[in-house]
Amino acid sequence: QVQLVQSGAEVKKPGASVKVSCKTSGYSFTGYYIHWIRQAPGQGLEWMGWINPSSGGTNFAQQFQGRFTMTIDTSISTAYMELTRLISDDTAVYYCARDPCSNNRCYEIYWGQGTLVTVSS
Amino acid sequence: QAVLTQPSSLSASPGASASLTCTLRSDINVGTYRIYWYQQKPGSPPQYLLRYKSDSDNHQGSGVPSRFSGSKAASANAGILLISGLQSEDEADYYCMVWHSSTWVFGGGTKLTVL
Repeated sequence: QVQLVQSGAEVKKPGASVKVSCKTSGYSFTGYYIHWIRQAPGQGLEWMGWINPSSGGTNFAQQFQGRFTMTIDTSISTAYMELTRLISDDTAVYYCARDPCSNNRCYEIYWGQGTLVTVSS
Repeated sequence: QAVLTQPSSLSASPGASASLTCTLRSDINVGTYRIYWYQQKPGSPPQYLLRYKSDSDNHQGSGVPSRFSGSKAASANAGILLISGLQSEDEADYYCMVWHSSTWVFGGGTKLTVL
């Protein structure tokens, strides 16, 4: 079965960086985009960006340009996101999710369990 | 104006039906979009419910009861999630989402209270 398993919670100081992993299994890793989404406490879902594991191509939400990086390691079917120059407003649960579509066919959307990132001095 | 607008809250009684709306910005036509719906309970990730574009282009999430269904109201430029036979366990936040300009766009979410 399809699974996305994320790394554990992180506590960071303002100005630091955080890197979250998303290990996938149960499907062809290079066949589906991976999206990153975050949710601040008590708030809604905010899309951050996607990466195409086949090509490494990416697309970011404008507000994250310059401090948000997405990478992949196809050898272990794992995607990563890194956010730099953290501020308190970056405190949120960060999710990875598998795009539903591959080769013009669309299926279920699978999510990781989420990773809480707390930014505090 | 936001791409997707959802009412912030909705209340309904057990056994009744609830219709959750997701209104698209006036310059984009609901007819051309697949609308995805999620349910989220406190402390859990969003759970995919279904996708609806038309009666011939739709998808029900694995294990999602048939009392959850999707539709559109073209005159209102909106997608609709209909939950029939409401149960207490349906109390949750519900989000709609579309793929727009090569990005995912989420609505602000509707908190459904079953009382």
